[in-house]
Amino acid sequence: DQQVKQNSPSLSVQEGRISILNCDYTNSMFDYFLWYKKYPAEGPTFLISISSIKDKNEDGRFTVFLNKSAKHLSLHIVPSQPGDSAVYFCAATPTLGRLYFGRGTQLTVWP
Amino acid sequence: NAGVTQTPKFQVLKTGQSMTLQCAQDMNHEYMSWYRQDPGMGLRLIHYSVGAGITDQGEVPNGYNVSRSTTEDFPLRLLSAAPSQTSVYFCASSYIRGSYKMNTEAFFGQGTRLTVV
Repeated sequence: DQQVKQNSPSLSVQEGRISILNCDYTNSMFDYFLWYKKYPAEGPTFLISISSIKDKNEDGRFTVFLNKSAKHLSLHIVPSQPGDSAVYFCAATPTLGRLYFGRGTQLTVWP
Repeated sequence: NAGVTQTPKFQVLKTGQSMTLQCAQDMNHEYMSWYRQDPGMGLRLIHYSVGAGITDQGEVPNGYNVSRSTTEDFPLRLLSAAPSQTSVYFCASSYIRGSYKMNTEAFFGQGTRLTVV
């Protein structure tokens, strides 16, 4: 039973436009959420996170939004760049650093 | 600063062979974990450890053993390799949430690509 779901396996966006990646979760005990980025043949790298006491966190071109009532979070990338092309994993944790991951969304940013 | 180091990067095993995937971190993180990544399946937790001498099972522990004798090292042992264990394996480490250390994101190694024939 998957507790973190990324329902879009892929997303294609033109350079300069906004990329919106979505993530849903089912476990109400999750209180910390993270996004990871992964290039081929590399390990995932941390991108941005948000605590459940907030509904938005911003870091440069990346913003994560959290809607607790809907159990939904999204990652916005503005403006999108070709170097952003990667697999993005949503993750959530209730405690102690144990992470539950979604299946990932392949983002392709084309010129 | 090495971060999380995994060895080997690639390995081919025959069915029934055993081997150990090595993972070491130099950040003094309490929490370490092993994940496997399969196409369309995301990252699934195999085993994890919250400190030396303490380990626990994740979502897909069958066929794997771990131990944590030091803070730095967290090896993953395949007891008798099976083709279903063909995967990319990632080791990760992080501080434990709730400690005075605020960083909670996990740092990942580069991965070990394992093929079992």
